[in-house]
Amino acid sequence: GAGVSQSPSNKVTEKGKDVELRCDPISGHTALYWYRQSLGQGLEFLIYFQGNSAPDKSGLPSDRFSAERTGGSVSTLTIQRTQQEDSAVYLCASSLGPGIRTDTQYFGPGTRLTVL
Amino acid sequence: KQEVTQIPAALSVPEGENLVLNCSFTDSAIYNLQWFRQDPGKGLTSLLLIQSSQREQTSGRLNASLDKSSGRSTLYIAASQPGDSATYLCAVLNAGGTSYGKLTFGQGTILTVHP
Repeated sequence: GAGVSQSPSNKVTEKGKDVELRCDPISGHTALYWYRQSLGQGLEFLIYFQGNSAPDKSGLPSDRFSAERTGGSVSTLTIQRTQQEDSAVYLCASSLGPGIRTDTQYFGPGTRLTVL
Repeated sequence: KQEVTQIPAALSVPEGENLVLNCSFTDSAIYNLQWFRQDPGKGLTSLLLIQSSQREQTSGRLNASLDKSSGRSTLYIAASQPGDSATYLCAVLNAGGTSYGKLTFGQGTILTVHP
């Protein structure tokens, strides 16, 4: 079976432009996570979807960031009016859920975003 | 706020050596601790998951221990190989506080095993 896939693998954009990053989780996984990995900050949690519940958005750094998950499967992370500090690798993960104590997260290869 | 620290930041060893990577965390209210491997330009691969009630987990040449009360975990790699070269990340799944239900990651240890 396929793992978590993300697209694009690389994205270069100009400051002020909007970008959309896509994540396809493992089929049957009800939980989906977005993380950001940047130099000096390590890996940071952004947002978490579990089934049809309202997402946990507590990690989103500003209101320029939003995410949605359609049909309980594919997710899109949108960054509006990108800034240079948004440059990072954005990682998506999925897990079977909702057995939080033992749930292993499976990560995609990430999207490397560069804001010029 | 949970903080996870990994020591050393980088490690270079000759092939065949046994080695230990260290991870410490400040808040013992965790559900589990996980060790991940990350290869350059790739995502994370889960290596071992230790539940808070467990003391250790083993997979092949890897052994991870957990001492929740002291906030420490170690990843032991036996008979290291060049293919083990990667960044190793430790993460805790928080059971309390503002980070409840979220993974907090350490900064990672960059391991190089040379032939």
